[in-house]
Amino acid sequence: EMQLVESGGGLVQPGGSLRLSCAASGFTFDDYAMHWVRQGPGKGLEWVSGINYNSGGIGYAGSVKGRFTISRDNAKNSLYLQMNSLRPEDTALYYCAKGTTSGWQSFDYWGQGTLVTVSS
Amino acid sequence: DIQMTQSPSSLSVSVGDRVTITCRASQGIGNYLAWYQQKPGKVPKLLIYAASTFQSGVPSRFSGSGSGTDFTLTITSLQPEDVATYYCQKYNSAPLTFGGGTKVEIK
Repeated sequence: EMQLVESGGGLVQPGGSLRLSCAASGFTFDDYAMHWVRQGPGKGLEWVSGINYNSGGIGYAGSVKGRFTISRDNAKNSLYLQMNSLRPEDTALYYCAKGTTSGWQSFDYWGQGTLVTVSS
Repeated sequence: DIQMTQSPSSLSVSVGDRVTITCRASQGIGNYLAWYQQKPGKVPKLLIYAASTFQSGVPSRFSGSGSGTDFTLTITSLQPEDVATYYCQKYNSAPLTFGGGTKVEIK
């Protein structure tokens, strides 16, 4: 059974850092692009960042470029998001999502999310 | 960056009604468009990709059409279990932007 399990969320002060992780199982992780998508309280979906199957292609939303860094470890079937210089507007539920192919495509499986709260 | 605009932002319809949701891209994106359904308190679910291709298991009352800049998601006969917010997303290139969402409720 396919699983994506996010972790690493929590309460952090503005300007602080967090590292999110996503543990994948039930599929061949290094065949697929992976993504982070967030959803603020009562808000819509916002794509945050994506990484292709071999880390050769990476993209970021303008709102996080220069502050967030996506990475993956195919040997550990894991996806990461290093979040620095956090702002209150980064408060959201962060989902890990699996791409349908190795490159930029739609997302066919989502984790349950990990909550990030940025507040003093 | 390409912007994705959905309309309407919400609608209230009766069971059995036809529902049409539109998504417009600020520049052409070919058919690199997906539709997702997010039921209250749940994780988003992929309905349609490549503008008109069904994801496995999606009921046939859902359909997608369009290419370039204008796209449509249609539900031919709304069922109670279709109450959800629907999002379009472009994926031709980064950023993989979502539309603002359309909330569908039962009248």
